[in-house]
Amino acid sequence: QSVLTQSPSVSGAPGQRVTISCTGSSSNIGAGYDVHWYQQLPGTAPQLLIYGNNNRPSGVPDRFSGSKSGTSASLAISGLQAEDEADYYCQSYDSSLSGHVFGTGTKVTVL
Amino acid sequence: EVQLVESGGGLVKPGRSLRLSCTASGFTFGDYGVSWFRQAPGKGLEWVGFIRSKAYGGTTEYAASVKGRFSISRDDSKSIAYLQMNSLNTEDTAVYYCSRWYYDFWSGYPDYWGQGALVTVSS
Repeated sequence: QSVLTQSPSVSGAPGQRVTISCTGSSSNIGAGYDVHWYQQLPGTAPQLLIYGNNNRPSGVPDRFSGSKSGTSASLAISGLQAEDEADYYCQSYDSSLSGHVFGTGTKVTVL
Repeated sequence: EVQLVESGGGLVKPGRSLRLSCTASGFTFGDYGVSWFRQAPGKGLEWVGFIRSKAYGGTTEYAASVKGRFSISRDDSKSIAYLQMNSLNTEDTAVYYCSRWYYDFWSGYPDYWGQGALVTVSS
């Protein structure tokens, strides 16, 4: 079972801004562990999108941004494009489980 | 170019064993930790386990769901990491991904992923 909770789906028209939330607890995000985000395009392996809460790897457009506050984190996609249609997952370390945990995943649909 | 390629997947009967390989190229394999993940059909991502680089002892960590059944090892001379899976059950059916791990176990993250290997456990 996933320890981090995400909304199942979000949608937006091209050019709009959407946000995806990732809610954890005091044993993971709230304990200060970093949050990382992944994009999984249909039928492909996940790809690193955001690391260390708000950092983008080289090659990731600046339309993607991350933030963290308290026991939650968020991923924002501005200027939504058709190629952004994918599943998005957050991930962090959980001290109670002594392991890494993922969010439940959010499907982004571009209308 | 960093590449990771999983191999060894397939159909296996419940209770049997299977070993996956993760062959790396494009970087100094021995300098990095390696993590394994899985994704059951139509489901989300699950962390399976992790092995540190030899510089940090080469020690391993496992998710509770696989601890005692799965083990991870590495052969730095061949740039290969292995996932040995024993006592498989139907709930282990998934696509298994290996990844290069950046930074330490607690704050780090998988920065490159393989394409995945499908493991189907069925009688």
